[in-house]
Amino acid sequence: AQSVTQPDIHITVSEGASLELRCNYSYGATPYLFWYVQSPGQGLQLLLKYFSGDTLVQGIKGFEAEFKRSQSSFNLRKPSVHWSDAAEYFCAVGLKGYQKVTFGTGTKLQVIP
Amino acid sequence: NAGVTQTPKFQVLKTGQSMTLQCAQDMNHEYMSWYRQDPGMGLRLIHYSVGAGITDQGEVPNGYNVSRSTTEDFPLRLLSAAPSQTSVYFCASSSLGTGSGTEAFFGQGTRLTVV
Repeated sequence: AQSVTQPDIHITVSEGASLELRCNYSYGATPYLFWYVQSPGQGLQLLLKYFSGDTLVQGIKGFEAEFKRSQSSFNLRKPSVHWSDAAEYFCAVGLKGYQKVTFGTGTKLQVIP
Repeated sequence: NAGVTQTPKFQVLKTGQSMTLQCAQDMNHEYMSWYRQDPGMGLRLIHYSVGAGITDQGEVPNGYNVSRSTTEDFPLRLLSAAPSQTSVYFCASSSLGTGSGTEAFFGQGTRLTVV
């Protein structure tokens, strides 16, 4: 069965600083990988996905993620964080596309002025 | 375009009561699923469906039933509510396949409290 590990429960960054959120997955076949963002009291919004092809994936809101098969990682990055990026971020892996997606436990991002 | 609509947004149940959480999507998505979200545990898959008349269990199916009589609707039934089912429930829909045009959407969630 697939699994996802997000080792950081909370991360605090200064506005304008760079951000990297870590994600490691365990899956026997080609993974389908996702990053979602959840603002307080809201549903989840897809930031980006990796299905195949270029291992550097661009998403919405200036986010990108890099798939590294050798490290089983799919870390999320943003070069300059804005206060509005404060939210909880979930990494996820799918069985086939969006089917039977398994989520990590999430990383809460706090942005300080 | 409404996307994924969940009702109700909030619900309080007494232990032993039953209820149905509604989920509807208007994007003609084949795949629909229900998750529960608990603090520190992320989202866990309860049940899913790949089309009308087809459902299957996810990671935490006990105490829940689903049916899929139409493409648009995927209700989640709590048979006999227990305090352990206090959670936030999310419905999601997506297209099948792995092409670049596939998409997925989540509803706004239902916050359920069982007392």
